[in-house]
Amino acid sequence: QVTLRESGPALVKPTQTLTLTCTFSGFSLTTSPMCVSWVRQPPGKALEWLALIDWDDDKYYSTSLKTRLTISKDTSKNQVVLTMSDLDPMDTATYYCTRIQGYRSYRFLDYWGQGLLVTVSS
Amino acid sequence: DIQMTQSPSSLSASVGDRVTITCRASEAISTHVNWYQQKPGQAPKLLIYGESNLQTGVPSRFSGSGSGTDFTLSISSLQPEDFATYYCQQCYSTLLTFGGGTKVEIK
Repeated sequence: QVTLRESGPALVKPTQTLTLTCTFSGFSLTTSPMCVSWVRQPPGKALEWLALIDWDDDKYYSTSLKTRLTISKDTSKNQVVLTMSDLDPMDTATYYCTRIQGYRSYRFLDYWGQGLLVTVSS
Repeated sequence: DIQMTQSPSSLSASVGDRVTITCRASEAISTHVNWYQQKPGQAPKLLIYGESNLQTGVPSRFSGSGSGTDFTLSISSLQPEDFATYYCQQCYSTLLTFGGGTKVEIK
């Protein structure tokens, strides 16, 4: 059974750095073609893809946010960590961790965590 | 980045209606489109991957079609549990992008 769970702070101040952890089970991030991705959703708005890390430790970032994002994995703990720097109230959103199956051009997000609402406010 | 534009942004329909949602890519992406359903307060759920493949457990009233830049999600006979927001997503590029969503409401 595949599960993913997001953890991190619910409230952060502007200009701070956010660190989110995705703890997963039921699959291995050392096996191709597994990937883990982060997606966010501001309240009442659409989904926005943020970053992806694959079994081979290749990393991809949203063009608009790539200067602020870092994704990494700890396969011994079955965890993926996303950091986002220089937070702004516009970064207030529910952040989802997802599993992705598939090689390049065939990637679909088949399992999602429950999401973590992060509010950026002073 | 490849932009995905969905239309309409919302629609009202009745149980039993056939519903069609359109997604247009800013460049040709072959058939590399996935569709998701999201209900209020829940995480999105994968419905269709690779343009027309139904995820396990998804009812056959859902179908996807299209190639190039124009894609369609159809629901053949809308059921009460189908009232939700639907998103397309392209996977042609390694930099994934979602459409803006289509909210399906009860008429």
